[in-house]
Amino acid sequence: DQQVKQNSPSLSVQEGRISILNCDYTNSMFDYFLWYKKYPAEGPTFLISISSIKDKNEDGRFTVFLNKSAKHLSLHIVPSQPGDSAVYFCAAERPPGNTPLVFGKGTRLSVIA
Amino acid sequence: DAGVIQSPRHEVTEMGQEVTLRCKPISGHNSLFWYRQTMMRGLELLIYFNNNVPIDDSGMPEDRFSAKMPNASFSTLKIQPSEPRDSAVYFCASSTGTGEAFFGQGTRLTVV
Repeated sequence: DQQVKQNSPSLSVQEGRISILNCDYTNSMFDYFLWYKKYPAEGPTFLISISSIKDKNEDGRFTVFLNKSAKHLSLHIVPSQPGDSAVYFCAAERPPGNTPLVFGKGTRLSVIA
Repeated sequence: DAGVIQSPRHEVTEMGQEVTLRCKPISGHNSLFWYRQTMMRGLELLIYFNNNVPIDDSGMPEDRFSAKMPNASFSTLKIQPSEPRDSAVYFCASSTGTGEAFFGQGTRLTVV
């Protein structure tokens, strides 16, 4: 059973517009959430994270929003750039640490110039 | 630090052969994870180690898969015998125990 779900396998956005990637989770024990970005032939790289005690975390063009009651998080990229084209994975961690991240299946974002 | 180092980057082998994938984690990291990426299942955890000790191998698909971590700087994932359905990209990742995990570049395995 998928504890972390990314229901959109792909997303296309025009350059300069906002990209919104969504993620849902089922395990209420998760207390830390991360987004990873993956280019072809490379490993996933960490992008941004959020603790369950917050509802928003921002880093430059990237903002992650967390809605605990809905068990939903989203990644906003604004403005989107062609270099943002990649697969984005949502991941979640449960306490007390030293536990593996649980990943969604990923969403392929294409930013069109 | 060079990051997590995996070898080989690509492996093509015949069905029935033994395959060994290698990983060197980031120095000082005490958790190591093996993941497999497929189109159908995304990134799925195979096994993880804390302080070189295997903690959870419930993600290992079959007894044909085994993993070892003889010391803090080296881990192997072995498939014996390999089958075409094992074809995937295998990632090793390491972390300090909480939060972000750092991934290697992966090994693309093709079993023909």
